[in-house]
Amino acid sequence: QSVLTQPPSASGTPGQRVTISCSGSSSNIGSNIVNWYQQLPGTAPKLLMYSNSQRPSGVPDRFSGSKSGTSASLAISGLQSEDEADYYCAAWDDRLKGHVFGTGTKVTVL
Amino acid sequence: EVQLVESGGGLVQPGGSLRLSCAASGFTFSFYWMTWVRQAPGKGLEWVANIKPDGSETYYVDSVKGRFTISRDNAQNSLYLQMNSLRAEDTAVYYCARDTGSAMAWYWGQGTLVTVSS
Repeated sequence: QSVLTQPPSASGTPGQRVTISCSGSSSNIGSNIVNWYQQLPGTAPKLLMYSNSQRPSGVPDRFSGSKSGTSASLAISGLQSEDEADYYCAAWDDRLKGHVFGTGTKVTVL
Repeated sequence: EVQLVESGGGLVQPGGSLRLSCAASGFTFSFYWMTWVRQAPGKGLEWVANIKPDGSETYYVDSVKGRFTISRDNAQNSLYLQMNSLRAEDTAVYYCARDTGSAMAWYWGQGTLVTVSS
């Protein structure tokens, strides 16, 4: 039940800034924190951002997150080749009484 | 170091059952919410279920309610997912994950593949 909508793809050249949006509703993003996950090819997902804009230890500061109303976004500044991955947002949904993931965005470094 | 190791995946016929296990180490298992997330081949992530530290509360995605049961054994540092009445659409890699107070699925296992096919 992907109730969080993300663009299917995003791309940029090395060094560019890429932004990924995550659109939800009042029952999920609008009233709960958003987390972001990065999944490199062939590997398990990894927590990239928590509580909307906090980076776990070890995550480069070129990654940043924000939330406004019922939408959230993840920005990658100074894009690097190792950032090529799938990115997912997630939040608790009060109406569904469960977590929901976004549809996922594949980031390509040109 | 937090470690989560899933097991129990495999090939099962439609309508069959399977029990997944997740062995946890490197942290006090009984303190944390635990989560199962799945990913169908070539598809995105889907949250499946989670369970409170003492096992008293569980939540499920609608598509598995009544068919899957999440449980835990804090004495054995283990998480389980009992899957009954399996369907082709349940085919996926199933990940075990540990939550924190700040985030769902802070730590992830490597996953176990479940294939439902005749």
